[in-house]
Amino acid sequence: GAGVSQSPSNKVTEKGKDVELRCDPISGHTALYWYRQSLGQGLEFLIYFQGNSAPDKSGLPSDRFSAERTGGSVSTLTIQRTQQEDSAVYLCASTPWGASYEQYFGPGTRLTVT
Amino acid sequence: QQPVQSPQAVILREGEDAVINCSSSKALYSVHWYRQKHGEAPVFLMILLKGGEQKGHEKISASFNEKKQQSSLYLTASQLSYSGTYFCGTETDPGGYQKVTFGTGTKLQVIP
Repeated sequence: GAGVSQSPSNKVTEKGKDVELRCDPISGHTALYWYRQSLGQGLEFLIYFQGNSAPDKSGLPSDRFSAERTGGSVSTLTIQRTQQEDSAVYLCASTPWGASYEQYFGPGTRLTVT
Repeated sequence: QQPVQSPQAVILREGEDAVINCSSSKALYSVHWYRQKHGEAPVFLMILLKGGEQKGHEKISASFNEKKQQSSLYLTASQLSYSGTYFCGTETDPGGYQKVTFGTGTKLQVIP
């Protein structure tokens, strides 16, 4: 079946512009994570959606970052007024339910802020 | 609370064994292990649940010591394909809403 998809795969933007990154999770998966991975670094947690519960936004680095998940499926991560330090690979992962399940990762979006 | 992984990096020759450790300052409910190859997304290896058995797949296995709040990943008779960065992820409470927190990773390089 189809895996997690993300778009665009690459995004180059100028400093100060807004960007939207999209994640399509596996159908039926209720939980969705966003992570940021800077070059050669670990998986930095950003935000976690679980069903209809309020999202866990504790990992968002600033108020320039926001995310939504519409209809319990597709999610969009928005970064406003991008800065060079926002350059990274943004990974999305989904799981059937909660934390005790395998996370299925998408291929990521490589964001470069010039 | 981010788990701590050790070592940060290791270089092995083909056929050698390695152990990667993951420890937490909080009681653990589950531990997840993933491997990420350069330029690719992380791939699931295994999950160990509290009260569960040691798990293994071919020459990669893991243990979970609830008392010590740590897990270890064992790679035996390493192959070139084992190269990559290994991440452990921990869940500190049961329940559907708890998120997994990943460690900083262990870079493993297997050389001929």
